[in-house]
Amino acid sequence: AQSVTQPDIHITVSEGASLELRCNYSYGATPYLFWYVQSPGQGLQLLLKYFSGDTLVQGIKGFEAEFKRSQSSFNLRKPSVHWSDAAEYFCAVGAGGRRALTFGSGTRLQVQP
Amino acid sequence: DVKVTQSSRYLVKRTGEKVFLECVQDMDHENMFWYRQDPGLGLRLIYFSYDVKMKEKGDIPEGYSVSREKKERFSLILESASTNQTSMYLCASSGRQGYGYEQYFGPGTRLTVT
Repeated sequence: AQSVTQPDIHITVSEGASLELRCNYSYGATPYLFWYVQSPGQGLQLLLKYFSGDTLVQGIKGFEAEFKRSQSSFNLRKPSVHWSDAAEYFCAVGAGGRRALTFGSGTRLQVQP
Repeated sequence: DVKVTQSSRYLVKRTGEKVFLECVQDMDHENMFWYRQDPGLGLRLIYFSYDVKMKEKGDIPEGYSVSREKKERFSLILESASTNQTSMYLCASSGRQGYGYEQYFGPGTRLTVT
């Protein structure tokens, strides 16, 4: 069965600094990969997804993610963080004949002024 | 845009009560899902449905049941609520046939059982 690990529970960055959130997955083949964002008290919003093709994927709100097969990783990046990016971020995997996605435990991002 | 709505944002129930959480999507999606979200555990799948009247257990179905009588509506039922079911409940839908495609989420229902 597939699994997803987000090693960082909580990250704090300064506004304007760059950001990288880590995601590692466990699956024998190439899965479908997603990043979602959850603002406080809200549902999850899809930031970006990877199915196949170019390993660098662009998403909404200036985010991008890179799929690295050799490292089983799908890290999320943003060159310059805004205060409104403070939220919880979830990496998810779709794979293995399972209709639902498997989610990581999330990374909470705090942005300092 | 896909819209997924949930009947309540906040709900407070007593132990032993029967609780209904309703979810409606407006994009004719085949698949609908119920997750619960707890701090440090991410989202865990309770049940999902891939067609009207069809359902499958997820990872943590104990204490829950579901109903899907119409394509747009998926209900989660707590037959006898317990305090360990206090959580955030998220509904999602997906329009693709097959497996592992992106899901669209409702705003969530924060349920407190006292």
